Amino acid sequence: QVPLQESSPGLVKPSETLSLTCTVSGVSISYYNWGWIRQPPGKGLEWIGYIYNSGAINYSPSLKSRVSMSLDTSKKQFSLKLTSVTAADTAVYYCAGATGPYNYDTSGILSSFDYWGQGVLVTVSS
Amino acid sequence: EVVLTQSPGALSLSPGERATLSCRASQSIGSSYLAWYQHKPGQPLRLLFHGASSRATGIPDRFSGSGSGTDFTLTIGRLEPEDFAVYYCQQYGNSPITFGQGTRLEIK
Repeated sequence: QVPLQESSPGLVKPSETLSLTCTVSGVSISYYNWGWIRQPPGKGLEWIGYIYNSGAINYSPSLKSRVSMSLDTSKKQFSLKLTSVTAADTAVYYCAGATGPYNYDTSGILSSFDYWGQGVLVTVSS
Repeated sequence: EVVLTQSPGALSLSPGERATLSCRASQSIGSSYLAWYQHKPGQPLRLLFHGASSRATGIPDRFSGSGSGTDFTLTIGRLEPEDFAVYYCQQYGNSPITFGQGTRLEIK
């Protein structure tokens, strides 16, 4: 197992920026590719995007205009920022790691996710 | 985007019984880029299968995955008490990645 731990503020005000960090233990962050997925209350899982160990990114088209991801290999962390949040962004956010095999789609590398964090609830409310 | 429809939404069975869970895609998923996950409350999601039928590390052989194209199945041969959970399918054949809505497997 590869422990992943999300950290988040828990509560974010509407129109502000949601920031999440995932800390990776046990393996080199440069070895795998990393993703973010979320699940609004009572709804299904939604893929947010990937950040690859090269630093390249692949965002879901539905969130692309508001999402950014980054990788900090020295801290063994990768991060998610989502701008201009609304109540619809309230969800449990999961970070995940992918070891392959991969599908080399025109949009980028796609895959299943071998390792998941436990998830953190982020609530958007004033 | 590819819509994944899982059925049934909930399944009530007893330990020792066989469970069959379905995942149907709105369009063909090339090269069987389909994964299955198990999710228990308070725990990380656990990858069961990738490539529709390739068992992930440590997954017992009472679990099996099958299917291709648009129809995929997760079968649990003889249910153990620890198997009662929510199961999700995920496709990674086309961007964006999408997930099914889940099947809740409950103890009868």
